[in-house]
Amino acid sequence: GQQLNQSPQSMFIQEGEDVSMNCTSSSIFNTWLWYKQDPGEGPVLLIALYKAGELTSNGRLTAQFGITRKDSFLNISASIPSDVGIYFCAGQSRDDKIIFGKGTRLHILP
Amino acid sequence: DGGITQSPKYLFRKEGQNVTLSCEQNLNHDAMYWYRQDPGQGLRLIYYSQIVNDFQKGDIAEGYSVSREKKESFPLTVTSAQKNPTAFYLCASSITGSDEQYFGPGTRLTVT
Repeated sequence: GQQLNQSPQSMFIQEGEDVSMNCTSSSIFNTWLWYKQDPGEGPVLLIALYKAGELTSNGRLTAQFGITRKDSFLNISASIPSDVGIYFCAGQSRDDKIIFGKGTRLHILP
Repeated sequence: DGGITQSPKYLFRKEGQNVTLSCEQNLNHDAMYWYRQDPGQGLRLIYYSQIVNDFQKGDIAEGYSVSREKKESFPLTVTSAQKNPTAFYLCASSITGSDEQYFGPGTRLTVT
């Protein structure tokens, strides 16, 4: 079936640094979603993307829907301690199912 | 406040027992979903329901059952037939036709 490859699996950064993560697929997706999950909690929707090439911001977060419709990236600028968590991408596949990536775990060093 | 609630937060059961996880939403969403999350894994879809009294199997439905008697409620039963039931279970809901799913806080089930 369709899969999303999310990278990196984990990252360690210094507070204040910018962060970039991405999601790729061998198939075309119609929608890309980015979620953040805090430990022991449910994921929270950060950004939803619906058009190829779309670039959307939510505070310090920026996400883009790739032109090929097979990828998306999420950037976080000037990271702060509360950015720690797992970031999931999700995409709507051709059969209308939402598929989730395995997540990028973000660690911030003081 | 509108939202999705799952209870309890932590649940412990002995092997061989069925257990039902609660999911309630007051967002007036028609669609509801159950996912399972294992460490280092993405979310895997167990069951989903687009409307009251109707539901479909997801990718890993074996050993689970659901009901959708009310729009607000979508309980999940983990049966003794589920081989590895220990996991973090997440319920979500959405407006019909929307890809934006909103999640509850999750229930961590431990079966020993």
